[in-house]
Amino acid sequence: AQKVTQAQTEISVVEKEDVTLDCVYETRDTTYYLFWYKQPPSGELVFLIRRNSFDEQNEISGRYSWNFQKSTSSFNFTITASQVVDSAVYFCALSDHALNFGKGTSLLVTP
Amino acid sequence: NAGVTQTPKFRVLKTGQSMTLLCAQDMNHEYMYWYRQDPGMGLRLIHYSVGEGTTAKGEVPDGYNVSRLKKQNFLLGLESAAPSQTSVYFCASRTGVYQPQHFGDGTRLSIL
Repeated sequence: AQKVTQAQTEISVVEKEDVTLDCVYETRDTTYYLFWYKQPPSGELVFLIRRNSFDEQNEISGRYSWNFQKSTSSFNFTITASQVVDSAVYFCALSDHALNFGKGTSLLVTP
Repeated sequence: NAGVTQTPKFRVLKTGQSMTLLCAQDMNHEYMYWYRQDPGMGLRLIHYSVGEGTTAKGEVPDGYNVSRLKKQNFLLGLESAAPSQTSVYFCASRTGVYQPQHFGDGTRLSIL
């Protein structure tokens, strides 16, 4: 069975701090995709990134970066120089017939 | 681009009442999904469809039924609403099993 664990329930940082959100997954599949979604206080779900199991290169997009390590079954998400607008719930998900979501990490960035 | 549209956005029901939530997508996606989101639980899959005329159960299907009579629409029904079904419901669609899901804005449902 597929499973995604986001052990950090809530994180609070001060603006401009770096913050890493952890995601650990379990799957028996050799081909799989991992995703990160953001849910701001307004409630919509925003797709951030997709990574397949054969591509372990780290990805950087502006202040966001992702570290995928198959050896530890982790797909961690780092926000550099956090801003108040980054305050949201972040979900990691693993794909089979649907998306299997972790329970989410609530990030609060204070001025 | 409308994307994924959910109707209604808010609804209050009394226990035992029935209702249908409508999800419509204009992206010609084959796959459609219904999730519920409860505090601290993430998103849990209720039912899904891999194409017009098909439906399948997800993680928490009890108390819900679905239909996919048209490719662009995926309906979620509650035959006899219970307070435990108070939740935020999200519909999503995608082109293929490894593609990102596009989500609607959600339906907030309260059952008294």
